[in-house]
Amino acid sequence: EPEVTQTPSHQVTQMGQEVILRCVPISNHLYFYWYRQILGQKVEFLVSFYNNEISEKSEIFDDQFSVERPDGSNFTLKIRSTKLEDSAMYFCASTGDRGNQPQHFGDGTRLSIL
Amino acid sequence: GDSVTQMEGPVTLSEEAFLTINCTYTATGYPSLFWYVQYPGEGLQLLLKATKADDKGSNKGFEATYRKETTSFHLEKGSVQVSDSAVYFCALSENYGGSQGNLIFGKGTKLSVKP
Repeated sequence: EPEVTQTPSHQVTQMGQEVILRCVPISNHLYFYWYRQILGQKVEFLVSFYNNEISEKSEIFDDQFSVERPDGSNFTLKIRSTKLEDSAMYFCASTGDRGNQPQHFGDGTRLSIL
Repeated sequence: GDSVTQMEGPVTLSEEAFLTINCTYTATGYPSLFWYVQYPGEGLQLLLKATKADDKGSNKGFEATYRKETTSFHLEKGSVQVSDSAVYFCALSENYGGSQGNLIFGKGTKLSVKP
């Protein structure tokens, strides 16, 4: 069964540094998402992306965050200047049809900010 | 705004015991409801879903019924196995003209099944 793949599985970064989290959605999917889960808390929506632009974003997704689909397969989340509170598990998801298909999730990237 | 509330964990059961994980929701419209499961070291996997009132989602022996009158979507399984040990997330997404919105999750309930 096709999978959403995320790299790296664990990223350790110094506070203030930029970090890029990478995702390869399922190949024929059109809608892409990032969620995050701070340890012990809920999984929270960050941003959705369709047709090469952001379709929705939460208030968490401020100017420090950006997303990009640089080629036909990758979908990236960039945090420009990381803060301690950005430490979390970040999940990428994709779906082919927002009306009828569920979102398929990757295994996540654990981001640790020191 | 929309929200999902799940029973607090962890839940510890013996093998073959009956499982219920309660989930209630608050939504302004007519959401779709989901249960996702996260096995240790893995991502979120869809377990089951229901898209309208009175629908029953089922998979791998798990069931949940969309109850609009009680705004609930409780997860049940008649006989749990050790392999069911995982974290279970209840979630909803609003439907906008036939298109699903983004997922809103509960906090998750950790289930441990002992042999």
